[in-house]
Amino acid sequence: EAGVTQFPSHSVIEKGQTVTLRCDPISGHDNLYWYRRVMGKEIKFLLHFVKESKQDESGMPNNRFLAERTGGTYSTLKVQPAELEDSGVYFCASSHYVQGGQGYEQYFGPGTRLTVT
Amino acid sequence: RKEVEQDPGPFNVPEGATVAFNCTYSNSASQSFFWYRQDCRKEPKLLMSVYSSGNEDGRFTAQLNRASQYISLLIRDSKLSDSATYLCVVNEAGGYQKVTFGTGTKLQVIP
Repeated sequence: EAGVTQFPSHSVIEKGQTVTLRCDPISGHDNLYWYRRVMGKEIKFLLHFVKESKQDESGMPNNRFLAERTGGTYSTLKVQPAELEDSGVYFCASSHYVQGGQGYEQYFGPGTRLTVT
Repeated sequence: RKEVEQDPGPFNVPEGATVAFNCTYSNSASQSFFWYRQDCRKEPKLLMSVYSSGNEDGRFTAQLNRASQYISLLIRDSKLSDSATYLCVVNEAGGYQKVTFGTGTKLQVIP
């Protein structure tokens, strides 16, 4: 079974430019999450999709970030315009309900390392 | 106070040693708990879920103490390949919502 995939693996852009990150979840996983890790800090939640609907976007830093999941399959996260503080590693994760379990175990993609110069 | 707190380490232990990590969480409504492992510049990988009754997977044992709001991870007979950062992850409501990560505890197993 293919895992969560993310594209690109690395992106270097200049301040003010736009970048779009893509995440393909594990097939059949309705839940898709975006996270970010900035240098020296813990991984922080950005938002959560259930299928194509945004379940929780409380972690989105500001309106320069736009996430979509049209059709409930892959998701994109667009940063426009990018600022220096947006640099970090952006992880995507997906999950399905674990029958009889106590929670939804999330599986992470390899991340996109974004550098804004 | 951070929602999820871990000792960042590093913990430097010899091969074959037993090592334990603790993680405390502030939200008493938290319901789901996990340990993830993250290798340098890689994504977090699920190590194990933590159940109320405690659970074991080979050399790894996880425990949950709801009264004191902490979870623990015990690694027995440490291997060089266990060297990594161990992330404590807590979920507030039934596993369906966002999770909160600790900063991680770094383990270095030395020959």
